[in-house]
Amino acid sequence: DTAVSQTPKYLVTQMGNDKSIKCEQNLGHDTMYWYKQDSKKFLKIMFSYNNKELIINETVPNRFSPKSPDKAHLNLHINSLELGDSAVYFCASSQSGDRGFYEQYFGPGTRLTVT
Amino acid sequence: GESVGLHLPTLSVQEGDNSIINCAYSNSASDYFIWYKQESGKGPQFIIDIRSNMDKRQGQRVTVLLNKTVKHLSLQIAATQPGDSAVYFCAACLFGNEKLTFGTGTRLTIIP
Repeated sequence: DTAVSQTPKYLVTQMGNDKSIKCEQNLGHDTMYWYKQDSKKFLKIMFSYNNKELIINETVPNRFSPKSPDKAHLNLHINSLELGDSAVYFCASSQSGDRGFYEQYFGPGTRLTVT
Repeated sequence: GESVGLHLPTLSVQEGDNSIINCAYSNSASDYFIWYKQESGKGPQFIIDIRSNMDKRQGQRVTVLLNKTVKHLSLQIAATQPGDSAVYFCAACLFGNEKLTFGTGTRLTIIP
């Protein structure tokens, strides 16, 4: 009965490779997010999709490309991985409504290590 | 934009005591605030939220206080337990705007 799930949980890869992280939510939410958490635990939003449409696109290298095939899924593809991409990536979801966007529910995270 | 900062990076509290974690934000237009708890190896978990039309909200063993005048909020945890050990984040946004800005986190350690 996992609410927000991500795969893989750990990802170790070499510089220059291309990799994808997948996220799925079964909460029926219409908005999904990607966050990056660095080694100092600082959480920063990268992207957000509402009903499959991109609504937040922070200053992120264009090597990062999110894709939302449907409301329940938001994947993150990273091209030409660099050492500085090493971090924990969190997916989250929330439900929009007439009161705005409610609290965000986070997945367990994907620890990406680039060597 | 918004920037959010927690006053202390670490806090140690004796089990059974109350703990208070403080947070400051910069944008006076922010009107929605959330506290998250992150345990080791897990994603942030929602604890409690508060809108700017309130100055206090209570949950189970937790209370959030909001002082809009000085742009400060705090999370009080009553009768702390070992399971409360985690990193706590406050986050702020404009209500209706999905972009949350997170603080740097306070690591709370409960001493048995």
